[in-house]
Amino acid sequence: GENVEQHPSTLSVQEGDSAVIKCTYSDSASNYFPWYKQELGKRPQLIIDIRSNVGEKKDQRIAVTLNKTAKHFSLHITETQPEDSAVYFCAASTWTGNQFYFGTGTSLTVIP
Amino acid sequence: DTAVSQTPKYLVTQMGNDKSIKCEQNLGHDTMYWYKQDSKKFLKIMFSYNNKELIINETVPNRFSPKSPDKAHLNLHINSLELGDSAVYFCASSHRAGDQPQHFGDGTRLSIL
Repeated sequence: GENVEQHPSTLSVQEGDSAVIKCTYSDSASNYFPWYKQELGKRPQLIIDIRSNVGEKKDQRIAVTLNKTAKHFSLHITETQPEDSAVYFCAASTWTGNQFYFGTGTSLTVIP
Repeated sequence: DTAVSQTPKYLVTQMGNDKSIKCEQNLGHDTMYWYKQDSKKFLKIMFSYNNKELIINETVPNRFSPKSPDKAHLNLHINSLELGDSAVYFCASSHRAGDQPQHFGDGTRLSIL
């Protein structure tokens, strides 16, 4: 089955700096890669996703890049703000699959 | 309108009891899921339910049983609760299984005394 690894597990950045979270996957059939943000005590919420026919996607301050050859994808947050502090999860899935394979999460702290 | 709603939000009970958590989605999705999130924040898939097909994570004890009266509801029943069952349980749904965004409920925090 699929194995998704996520790094780092914790990340602290100064407000205004950029943050990068990286994930690798093992199944070359995976074609959908969502990113979820979970604030303390809240539900995971989808913030951006990318499909395997696209190499990069951007939405305001967040962007995701995908390297299918190397089987890794990354979340980039620019101009970080304190409200970006949360746990971020990457995931991978296939069109025919039954589930998401989630990474183990990255706890991001943005220091004002 | 809450897209995926779970009840109760908090559940505190004694070891050995049986309890249920309810989940409803009004998104018209075909697939629903149950996740367990432990204190380390790992999101562990427990079940996915799609068109009456149940996919069970083999590591889930058979004390846990999902029940789906219709496409919009997937309830979780837990027998003989144990201390290790303490966690936050999230329900989620998606248009179909596989490569579609999942929408999560607000979670049910289960605490076993």
